[in-house]
Amino acid sequence: EVQLVESGGNLVQPGGSLRLSCAASGFTFSSHWMHWVRQAPGKGLVWVSRINSDGTTINYADSVKGRFTISRDNAENTLYLQMNSLRVEDTAVYFCARLGYNSGCYFYDYWGQGTLVTVSS
Amino acid sequence: DIQMTQSPSSLSASVGDRVTITCRASQSISTYLNWYQQKPGKAPKLLIYASSSLQSGVPSRFSGSGSGTDFTLTISSLQPEDFAAYYCQQSDSSPLTFGGGTKVEIK
Repeated sequence: EVQLVESGGNLVQPGGSLRLSCAASGFTFSSHWMHWVRQAPGKGLVWVSRINSDGTTINYADSVKGRFTISRDNAENTLYLQMNSLRVEDTAVYFCARLGYNSGCYFYDYWGQGTLVTVSS
Repeated sequence: DIQMTQSPSSLSASVGDRVTITCRASQSISTYLNWYQQKPGKAPKLLIYASSSLQSGVPSRFSGSGSGTDFTLTISSLQPEDFAAYYCQQSDSSPLTFGGGTKVEIK
């Protein structure tokens, strides 16, 4: 059974840092692109970052570029998101998601349960 | 970035109703359109990919259609467990972008 389990969310002051983790199991982690998606309270889904299977291709949303760093440890089957210089507007539930592919189309076929990051003084 | 616009943003319906949600892309995305269902406090769940392909395990009352810029998600007979938020997502180009969501509520 495919499982993605996030951890690391917490209350942090503006300007602070946090590292999120996403532990994967039940599939060959090293074969899949992985993404982070966030959802502010009561709002919609917003893509944050992505990393390819071996960690050599990385992209970020403009809103987090230069502040967040995505990485992965394929030996430990774990995805990370290092979040620095946090802002109030980064407050959200952060989901990790596995990128799937079928019929020529990409989609998120598995999601973690989410971890809440609250940025507030 | 490709903008995705969903309508309506919310709707009220009764069990057994036929429900249709629309999604429009700011440019043509062929059939690279996915639909997700999200219940409160839970992660999104993939319902439909490639515009009309039903994800394994998803009930057949859900269907999707469309190509180019206009797409629809249809629930043929709304069930109690279908009251949730629904999001479209384009995967034609990066970044993958979502619509603003449609909340389906009980009438």
